[in-house]
Amino acid sequence: GQQLNQSPQSMFIQEGEDVSMNCTSSSIFNTWLWYKQDPGEGPVLLIALYKAGELTSNGRLTAQFGTTRKDSFLNISASIPSDVGIYFCAGRRRGSTLGRLYFGRGTQLTVWP
Amino acid sequence: DTEVTQTPKHLVMGMTNKKSLKCEQHMGHRAMYWYKQKAKKPPELMFVYSYEKLSINESVPSRFSPECPNSSLLNLHLHALQPEDSALYLCASSQVLEKFGPTEAFFGQGTRLTVV
Repeated sequence: GQQLNQSPQSMFIQEGEDVSMNCTSSSIFNTWLWYKQDPGEGPVLLIALYKAGELTSNGRLTAQFGTTRKDSFLNISASIPSDVGIYFCAGRRRGSTLGRLYFGRGTQLTVWP
Repeated sequence: DTEVTQTPKHLVMGMTNKKSLKCEQHMGHRAMYWYKQKAKKPPELMFVYSYEKLSINESVPSRFSPECPNSSLLNLHLHALQPEDSALYLCASSQVLEKFGPTEAFFGQGTRLTVV
């Protein structure tokens, strides 16, 4: 099935640095979701976006629904060691009523103390 | 409460065994999903139930059989699995809005399945 283009694939940063990752699609989406997954656990929802241009924050995390409706961005400010994990973007196409979520391949984040 | 509960957390089964994975949510969500996830890969959709009816089957082999007994429960029955079916199996649920459709999906912690 369709997958979203998520980049970067991995990031190695120092504690305190800011992080940016993004996701693009060839189709118009009406929902963008950002998840964090720790090893052996299920994905945890970080931020949900439903409107083009929407900018939403959750603590040090900020995500935006792109104005073209084909992309989304996640920023993490002042990273800390517990931010380590895999971050997945996910989205639903406009007009999809059956609930199929498309996932990006994930961004593996490593934070050095 | 945004909790989706999956049992068991770990399962080891032989290729001739029959086992079931269970998922429960009490958020009133009317869409429920099964995903399969291999290490360092994104979740892959297997099945979607909407209002307790199967709405999507992503060409999953018949050795996986889903069941939705009621709006809070989702089961995945396993029979004659292969070693390559070893993976993390995730359940998720979503609220369904009348004109919008499903909203954000909340995932359980998963069942780590090993087929020997």
